[in-house]
Amino acid sequence: NAGVTQTPKFRVLKTGQSMTLLCAQDMNHEYMYWYRQDPGMGLRLIHYSVGEGTTAKGEVPDGYNVSRLKKQNFLLGLESAAPSQTSVYFCASISAGDVSSYEQYFGPGTRLTVT
Amino acid sequence: LAKTTQPISMDSYEGQEVNITCSHNNIATNDYITWYQQFPSQGPRFIIQGYKTKVTNEVASLFIPADRKSSTLSLPRVSLSDTAVYYCLVGPTGGGNKLTFGTGTQLKVEL
Repeated sequence: NAGVTQTPKFRVLKTGQSMTLLCAQDMNHEYMYWYRQDPGMGLRLIHYSVGEGTTAKGEVPDGYNVSRLKKQNFLLGLESAAPSQTSVYFCASISAGDVSSYEQYFGPGTRLTVT
Repeated sequence: LAKTTQPISMDSYEGQEVNITCSHNNIATNDYITWYQQFPSQGPRFIIQGYKTKVTNEVASLFIPADRKSSTLSLPRVSLSDTAVYYCLVGPTGGGNKLTFGTGTQLKVEL
């Protein structure tokens, strides 16, 4: 079991460039999440998905788009990167069956720098 | 989601017991209290979760008083490897619910 994996681990973009971050989980979880973490701060929810083909906005969705075409994958896209999007991005997942748990499983993170 | 307040930082020495308290005055009836741990350059990791009284696992204990307006994470005999940021979260359980992370408590353990 690899758990939650994220690709790439590091990336440097120029302002205006686009890119897609990939999150994959092999635990058959229904729910998946994308967070960003800025230096010295907690995680903030960008977008999330409660199942294949569905997505919803989180706390800070502007400038990002997501897709969940397959249950195991959750993609985060930046159409036109801005320096304010320099951050560490974490993906997480949880099973819908965990109705009595708050235990999300997190990936290792993607460190993105926009110059 | 209930707002939480916890100390920004704490220092300790190896072998000591560390208690981190979290205040959540507006906790709702269906809210649970959950603690996560985050090491540098890693994603958060679930530590423990509880609703009331005391919960213990192999990593930590969680103490919740009867009014549930606060909770205390207790780490027995910490080591250098326990140096991390600890987050207290309060909210309803269930996979569809969203986590709200505050700034957490930076615990530094020294020799």
